[in-house]
Amino acid sequence: DAKTTQPPSMDCAEGRAANLPCNHSTISGNEYVYWYRQIHSQGPQYIIHGLKNNETNEMASLIITEDRKSSTLILPHATLRDTAVYYCIVRVKNQGGKLIFGQGTELSVKP
Amino acid sequence: GAVVSQHPSWVICKSGTSVKIECRSLDFQATTMFWYRQFPKQSLMLMATSNEGSKATYEQGVEKDKFLINHASLTLSTLTVTSAHPEDSSFYICSANSPGQGGRETQYFGPGTRLLVL
Repeated sequence: DAKTTQPPSMDCAEGRAANLPCNHSTISGNEYVYWYRQIHSQGPQYIIHGLKNNETNEMASLIITEDRKSSTLILPHATLRDTAVYYCIVRVKNQGGKLIFGQGTELSVKP
Repeated sequence: GAVVSQHPSWVICKSGTSVKIECRSLDFQATTMFWYRQFPKQSLMLMATSNEGSKATYEQGVEKDKFLINHASLTLSTLTVTSAHPEDSSFYICSANSPGQGGRETQYFGPGTRLLVL
């Protein structure tokens, strides 16, 4: 079973920041938080991952709470092409760990 | 990021025939690859873990004799759907672990293969 909880859907206006929440209250000390997204009829695309520190790359920022029980993925300036299902997944890194997908959040970016 | 390819991108076959899907890591070696299946409006479901040079590990409820997995090299894993039936019609997606730089291992996904069994 997935170990994360996400809202099923969210809307965001084009050009605004999209903040996607994820709860992972049972996360273990050696588990990382990974974010992927899946645009319709394509394979999932890696976005970002982190352990406890906030992370930023060219796609997004990942904010992890101090107790690590939740996190937020931030798309700073959402575009129509960011419309996708976003998955938050926890797993142990560097052990060949499999990814277990939950239902994710369907983000709709609207003009 | 690292690139994973799949072939074919889509396939239509008759009921009772077998279909082979290839998954390749193009710019890195992958000792472990994964196979997922996704039905319409559902999330990805992990089918099996493919290990180079050894037998695959199947998730509970996945028939190993129906979904044959071979991981003969560090860049290629194949999934063969044997005696396919209409209920096997689905979107099959593979992924591979890339070691990345600085220890930042990441799993990358292929574009998927859509199978339609008539």
